[in-house]
Amino acid sequence: DTGVSQNPRHKITKRGQNVTFRCDPISEHNRLYWYRQTLGQGPEFLTYFQNEAQLEKSRLLSDRFSAERPKGSFSTLEIQRTEQGDSAMYLCASSRDIIEAFFGQGTRLTVV
Amino acid sequence: AQSVTQLDSQVPVFEEAPVELRCNYSSSVSVYLFWYVQYPNQGLQLLLKYLSGSTLVKGINGFEAEFNKSQTSFHLRKPSVHISDTAEYFCAVSESSGTYKYIFGTGTRLKVLA
Repeated sequence: DTGVSQNPRHKITKRGQNVTFRCDPISEHNRLYWYRQTLGQGPEFLTYFQNEAQLEKSRLLSDRFSAERPKGSFSTLEIQRTEQGDSAMYLCASSRDIIEAFFGQGTRLTVV
Repeated sequence: AQSVTQLDSQVPVFEEAPVELRCNYSSSVSVYLFWYVQYPNQGLQLLLKYLSGSTLVKGINGFEAEFNKSQTSFHLRKPSVHISDTAEYFCAVSESSGTYKYIFGTGTRLKVLA
């Protein structure tokens, strides 16, 4: 059990550029979640995968955001045409059941 | 829909003193309850969880919480804090079915003073 791994840890990008983040969940965890956390706030749910199927998306996930989980393993979160308001910590979590979700260390995005 | 309210944004407390971090939730369905801790620039680590059964839940690092259904509360307590407990603490709920996604409160920053 090596934990949930997120890459990169930090990303600085210019407004209007596209960025992609990767999340490697704990192996055999079929549930995968993406959350966004802005300064001084709790994490907010973005999207949920069960295996490779994306079963729920928050209204926070605008059409500039897309997430995938091919083959039910790692997941990617892409933001197109980044805006300054996208600056946040993006957290990935995985779980096998409801007992607990394990969080990665997050990817901090700064849009300049 | 569920919501979580953490009434205190910051709690300063002296080392070895007891502390209580308050959490109230709102939900029309049955929920599970969690407390997570976040150290600077880190992800979240589970402290404890309530799924069912005994309303007093013990977690890691000497923390405990009590589920009170009538008051819809899940307050976190520690009888004696250490400097190393300085961190952000988040209360979260999830529905007991479906996606099990978390709804988090806005967090309480615990600052332990020497």
